[in-house]
Amino acid sequence: GESVGLHLPTLSVQEGDNSIINCAYSNSASDYFIWYKQESGKGPQFIIDIRSNMDKRQGQRVTVLLNKTVKHLSLQIAATQPGDSAVYFCAENIVGGAQKLVFGQGTRLTINP
Amino acid sequence: DSGVTQTPKHLITATGQRVTLRCSPRSGDLSVYWYQQSLDQGLQFLIQYYNGEERAKGNILERFSAQQFPDLHSELNLSSLELGDSALYFCASSVSTGGDTGELFFGEGSRLTVL
Repeated sequence: GESVGLHLPTLSVQEGDNSIINCAYSNSASDYFIWYKQESGKGPQFIIDIRSNMDKRQGQRVTVLLNKTVKHLSLQIAATQPGDSAVYFCAENIVGGAQKLVFGQGTRLTINP
Repeated sequence: DSGVTQTPKHLITATGQRVTLRCSPRSGDLSVYWYQQSLDQGLQFLIQYYNGEERAKGNILERFSAQQFPDLHSELNLSSLELGDSALYFCASSVSTGGDTGELFFGEGSRLTVL
């Protein structure tokens, strides 16, 4: 069945350090992945996406890595800032399949000053 | 501001009651999605509509129903409410016309409390 999960429910890092948030997925048919950020009291906000024909994609201060062999997805945030404190969700989708994103449970990222 | 509008922001009601949550998608977006987020839980997909028609269904209870109107706004109806229905209900929209979902733009959510 479909399942997207996260290795760690919470992550604390020092301001200025790099953060790595991990995600495991079990549906090998998933070929599109998205990371979302949800700040307290707000709806999820798109951060970055990646298709299965790519291993890495970079955005502004963020990088997503996809390892299809072990069905693993990670989000790297460079030089974390207080504004990065949020819950981060990975989500998977099957292109051409049912039009729905399956979200993981989320990782709460806390930035320590 | 994502451009997706949800009302009401907060709703408190009693068990057994019925409520309607409303969503206006971003201008130009044809797809509307509803998600449920319980305390400390991830987002559970409920249902998707595309241009007025149901496109995909997730773990939506039979007590829940939704529709998308010709002006593309959507409503999620929750009936015979139970305590466990207390959650944040998010609406999202996208320009997706097929293939992958693409970027979803989420509203601020409607927080439902069932007492």
